[in-house]
Amino acid sequence: AQTVTQSQPEMSVQEAETVTLSCTYDTSESDYYLFWYKQPPSRQMILVIRQEAYKQQNATENRFSVNFQKAAKSFSLKISDSQLGDAAMYFCAYRSAETSGSRLTFGEGTQLTVNP
Amino acid sequence: DVKVTQSSRYLVKRTGEKVFLECVQDMDHENMFWYRQDPGLGLRLIYFSYDVKMKEKGDIPEGYSVSREKKERFSLILESASTNQTSMYLCASSFVGPPYEQYFGPGTRLTVT
Repeated sequence: AQTVTQSQPEMSVQEAETVTLSCTYDTSESDYYLFWYKQPPSRQMILVIRQEAYKQQNATENRFSVNFQKAAKSFSLKISDSQLGDAAMYFCAYRSAETSGSRLTFGEGTQLTVNP
Repeated sequence: DVKVTQSSRYLVKRTGEKVFLECVQDMDHENMFWYRQDPGLGLRLIYFSYDVKMKEKGDIPEGYSVSREKKERFSLILESASTNQTSMYLCASSFVGPPYEQYFGPGTRLTVT
């Protein structure tokens, strides 16, 4: 079974600075998807960024980018020019593309605080 | 915009009560999911459904059941609520194919006393 680990329960960053959230996963599969989700306080969870394992190029979405290291099974999220609205719980998630079923496996989450 | 709604944001129930949590999505998604979110444990899958009247157990199905009579609606049932079921419950939905993004509801914070 796949597992996802986020080793940083809490992180903090100064406004306008850059922060990197870590995620590692364990799988024997070669084809899969990885996701970062954001859960702001008392608000709905939303997708931040997605990476297909077969793509070598790292995904980017505006100020958000990932460092996908397939051999190391690492998938970190970099937030540039941090804003107060980035404060949230961030979850890393894995989804197999090889097996049937549609389940995501989530990490434990990282609580990000943005200091003004 | 995709919308996933849940019947209650906050719910307080007594031990032994039967509890219904309802989720509705408006994007004609085939798949629907119920997760439980607890601090330090992330999201854990309780049940999911890939079609009307179809369901599969997730990682922690004990003490829960589900119902999907219509494509847009997925209900989570706690037959006899217990205090260890106090938690945040999240519903999600998705299409069956890639890119597999799941869309989440706002969550229901359930307290069992």
